[in-house]
Amino acid sequence: SQTIHQWPATLVQPVGSPLSLECTVEGTSNPNLYWYRQAAGRGLQLLFYSVGIGQISSEVPQNLSASRPQDRQFILSSKKLLLSDSGFYLCAWSDSNGQYFGPGTRLTVT
Amino acid sequence: QKEVEQDPGPLSVPEGAIVSLNCTYSNSAFQYFMWYRQYSRKGPELLMYTYSSGNKEDGRFTAQVDKSSKYISLFIRDSQPSDSATYLCAMSVGTGNQFYFGTGTSLTVIP
Repeated sequence: SQTIHQWPATLVQPVGSPLSLECTVEGTSNPNLYWYRQAAGRGLQLLFYSVGIGQISSEVPQNLSASRPQDRQFILSSKKLLLSDSGFYLCAWSDSNGQYFGPGTRLTVT
Repeated sequence: QKEVEQDPGPLSVPEGAIVSLNCTYSNSAFQYFMWYRQYSRKGPELLMYTYSSGNKEDGRFTAQVDKSSKYISLFIRDSQPSDSATYLCAMSVGTGNQFYFGTGTSLTVIP
C-alpha cells in the first residue's frame, strides 16, 4: 500500500529564516506530487505540482520554491520566511483513483 | 466566480441525523469528483471518489453527482459524533490533473 510522509510535523521559525519541508511517498512509482497551503479557516491553496523529476509547476508567485530531486521526494523551500507564510502545509500525491494527502506540517512564522 | 463553491457552515446536527453536504461548480469539463474528511490539525482523508454522474455508496456515505446541474452532494446516514470534521469537495478534469477544492463545510454531530 502507498504511504506519504511529511516532516517536520510542526515548526516555529523567525521571520527571515530559511525553510525546508520534506515529503516522501512509498509504494508507488512516478506519482504526481503537490504542495498545498491551508490557512486557518480557508481552503486549500495549490502552491506547486510536479509530474516528474525536475518538473515543477508553480501556481502562486511568492517567496517559496519546490524541488523534486528523486521520483518520490518533494521538497518545499524558502530562503527568507515572511509572516504571511504561516499556515498548514500539505503534500499530496495522485493516481487514477484520486488524490491522497500527507499528515501536514504546521508552520508558524514569528 | 470561483471554480468550486461550498457553504462553509458551520453545520450542527444531532446524533443519528442524515447530513447533506453540497458543492456547486462552474467548469463543465470536470469529470472526477471527490469528498474528503479533515479532522482538526490533520491532513484531508479521501472518503469518496466518483466519475461522471450518478451515485456511489460506501457504508453510511453516499456521493451523488448531477453534472447537468453542476452540483454534487455527500449524504451521511446515521451520523455519529466521530463524523464531526470539516468536509471538503474536490474535482478535476482528468486523473492526475490539478484538483479544485471547495473551502470546506464544518460539521458537528452532537451526542
